Amino acid sequence: LAKTTQPISMDSYEGQEVNITCSHNNIATNDYITWYQQFPSQGPRFIIQGYKTKVTNEVASLFIPADRKSSTLSLPRVSLSDTAVYYCLVGEREYGNKLVFGAGTILRVKS
Amino acid sequence: EAGVVQSPRYKIIEKKQPVAFWCNPISGHNTLYWYLQNLGQGPELLIRYENEEAVDDSQLPKDRFSAERLKGVDSTLKIQPAELGDSAVYLCASSLRGQDTGELFFGEGSRLTVL
Repeated sequence: LAKTTQPISMDSYEGQEVNITCSHNNIATNDYITWYQQFPSQGPRFIIQGYKTKVTNEVASLFIPADRKSSTLSLPRVSLSDTAVYYCLVGEREYGNKLVFGAGTILRVKS
Repeated sequence: EAGVVQSPRYKIIEKKQPVAFWCNPISGHNTLYWYLQNLGQGPELLIRYENEEAVDDSQLPKDRFSAERLKGVDSTLKIQPAELGDSAVYLCASSLRGQDTGELFFGEGSRLTVL
């Protein structure tokens, strides 16, 4: 299983763009990169998934360089409600059992 | 559409007592997962079901933990006897095999405190 490394915590202010980078040097050919968000007292929630280049949805963008050894989750114009833990996971797309959650990145958005 | 439902949300018990958690997955989801989450850490997989079959229980401490998924729908996770170190949040998740992203849908969790 590909191991991921991400910052323990990040601070930001409302209205700023936040970029959280994840390192996954041992990513396999069939692996996808998936990000989950978790608020206190809730289960994680799927944010975005990608294989290469750039993926964008209504919540975030995911940038993946050609070598796929890292990825960056981009949250545009964050608000206080974006304060949460963000997990980067790498694994085969259809096999949730193979997804290993690390400690995640605690994002704190301040006013 | 209803999400993954778990109960109870909170449970406080004395050590050596039994405890059970219940999970109702999203309708039609054939894959069900139980995760354990300790404070400040990410969720760790305990067991995964495909329909009623436990296909991965390698991380389930079988001396005190048991789980079942009768009829391939609801699931119950039991701990007997509970130990102090079992205090954690127990998360249930479900997914639909064949869905594009393999997205896991999590419940709100059951927080266990063992005194």
